[in-house]
Amino acid sequence: GAVVSQHPSRVICKSGTSVKIECRSLDFQATTMFWYRQFPKQSLMLMATSNEGSKATYEQGVEKDKFLINHASLTLSTLTVTSAHPEDSSFYICSAREELARVGPLTQYFGPGTRLTVL
Amino acid sequence: KQEVTQIPAALSVPEGENLVLNCSFTDSAIYNLQWFRQDPGKGLTSLLLIQSSQREQTSGRLNASLDKSSGRSTLYIAASQPGDSATYLCAVLSGGSYIPTFGRGTSLIVHP
Repeated sequence: GAVVSQHPSRVICKSGTSVKIECRSLDFQATTMFWYRQFPKQSLMLMATSNEGSKATYEQGVEKDKFLINHASLTLSTLTVTSAHPEDSSFYICSAREELARVGPLTQYFGPGTRLTVL
Repeated sequence: KQEVTQIPAALSVPEGENLVLNCSFTDSAIYNLQWFRQDPGKGLTSLLLIQSSQREQTSGRLNASLDKSSGRSTLYIAASQPGDSATYLCAVLSGGSYIPTFGRGTSLIVHP
């Protein structure tokens, strides 16, 4: 099956610094990628939808200047948490959508997640 | 706006029991429904995907059913094992937006 990777898997940073998280589709092209955030014992909350070559669409309440998303190629999307603060500590998960007929349309594959801790 | 509810929120059972996890959604105009497993601190593992035209899907000890008209899906786990302990998430892909909406999950503990 299709594989989505995330890097890093875990990051600890100081308050005020910026952190970049990469999401890659390893064996398929993803025109659309999604970024989710998950707090402990909570469900996944969609932060933004990323389309290759265009600006990301952010969900209501998500600060686009704080969470910068770049989908520069069909296999890579990045999420940069700028000027991170302790309240940004969370589990961030990306997913990539494969839109080829061989696996059925609109099938999404999820990355393993990135645990961000801001001190 | 699609809303997804999962019941129960938590479940603790002895090994060997057959389990039923429930997922309900408010807008029946869905494209598909997917069940995931999430281990603590880990990402999502897809278990079963049911297209809107299907009634059920089976994989090993897992069986998922879909009743789109009533807005419900059930995940049935047969002969539960301690290794089944995890959080189970239901996600509904709605027509139109094609963005999945997740439930809050059912936290399952199967004790020996």
